[in-house]
Amino acid sequence: SQQGEEDPQALSIQEGENATMNCSYKTSINNLQWYRQNSGRGLVHLILIRSNEREKHSGRLRVTLDTSKKSSSLLITASRAADTASYFCATDARGSARQLTFGSGTQLTVLP
Amino acid sequence: EAQVTQNPRYLITVTGKKLTVTCSQNMNHEYMSWYRQDPGLGLRQIYYSMNVEVTDKGDVPEGYKVSRKEKRNFPLILESPSPNQTSLYFCASRAGETQYFGPGTRLLVL
Repeated sequence: SQQGEEDPQALSIQEGENATMNCSYKTSINNLQWYRQNSGRGLVHLILIRSNEREKHSGRLRVTLDTSKKSSSLLITASRAADTASYFCATDARGSARQLTFGSGTQLTVLP
Repeated sequence: EAQVTQNPRYLITVTGKKLTVTCSQNMNHEYMSWYRQDPGLGLRQIYYSMNVEVTDKGDVPEGYKVSRKEKRNFPLILESPSPNQTSLYFCASRAGETQYFGPGTRLLVL
């Protein structure tokens, strides 16, 4: 079953703008992760935020987590054409035998 | 170079013809898993393995088999493929909380 649902499904912005993607999930989690996928390729881990954290930064990435609303957001600042990819949230649910459950993804297009 | 490899990368087959997709990782990870990716559905876990000789079903195991005889290898077996198994397949291994994905195998079942 899908745990995470990303919003929007697709996002198109100009280079230099910020991109925000949201993820909602259903059950209690140990952590939430964001992955990036270039077209037809494997996913690459971007950032992990634990259930007791509210915000985390990594370079141009900023992730927030609101466990009361069961939601997370990924902000990419000063976007570049090379950021064009699909972005997925994945939840590591409590009691899940270390399984990750992925959402359906947000397709980000950054126009030069 | 630390990596997860899959073979073949592309495969066209016919209904009922058994096939195996290999997966190998060189990072000595205990946990490995298989996913399929379909448009609009994200990644769904097929099977996972927490160690050698320990495998368990994920969310969509029907029509698939796996084995884990060695730590580095985790092949996915389709005994009798059907068209609804046409998909993009990913193998992944896990260290701590982070998964490392292979490049994917695109399968078309006619």
